[in-house]
Amino acid sequence: SQQGEEDPQALSIQEGENATMNCSYKTSINNLQWYRQNSGRGLVHLILIRSNEREKHSGRLRVTLDTSKKSSSLLITASRAADTASYFCATDGVGSIYGNKLVFGAGTILRVKS
Amino acid sequence: DTEVTQTPKHLVMGMTNKKSLKCEQHMGHRAMYWYKQKAKKPPELMFVYSYEKLSINESVPSRFSPECPNSSLLNLHLHALQPEDSALYLCASSPTKGRSTDTQYFGPGTRLTVL
Repeated sequence: SQQGEEDPQALSIQEGENATMNCSYKTSINNLQWYRQNSGRGLVHLILIRSNEREKHSGRLRVTLDTSKKSSSLLITASRAADTASYFCATDGVGSIYGNKLVFGAGTILRVKS
Repeated sequence: DTEVTQTPKHLVMGMTNKKSLKCEQHMGHRAMYWYKQKAKKPPELMFVYSYEKLSINESVPSRFSPECPNSSLLNLHLHALQPEDSALYLCASSPTKGRSTDTQYFGPGTRLTVL
């Protein structure tokens, strides 16, 4: 079953603008991760935020986590055409004893126009 | 080497064929994963191997048969597939089992088409 839901489903912005994507989830988590996927390719890990963290930065990325609302946001500042991709949040599923079972959200398709 | 490789990149097969997908990593990771991804959908977990043992099978039909010959290799054997099995098949690995803070490293995927 899918735990994370994301909005918007698609986002189109101009180069240089900021892009914000949101993710909501249903059950308690240990951490939340964001991944990027270029068209038809593998996923690339962007950032991980633990359940006891509220905000985390990595370069042009800023992630927030609100466990009371079971939601997270990913902000990409000063976007570039190369940021065009699908972005997925992923939460660690129940019963991750035997491995890191991730459940991915539906994803946001970001298009950055140059 | 921080790469997960997958072969082939593309595969077209008939419903009566038998084929295999291959995944390889040399990062010393001890957990490896198969995901299935349909167009415009998120990846869905199929199998998890931890220390070369199958630890999670997400109720995948038996026409998909995983195999982990050693800690670096992961195969997915395909037999009698259906057209609805057409998808991007992604392999991933992570350093250890039982640590949900592990990052998963993904391969580029195999685009499978079943005719």
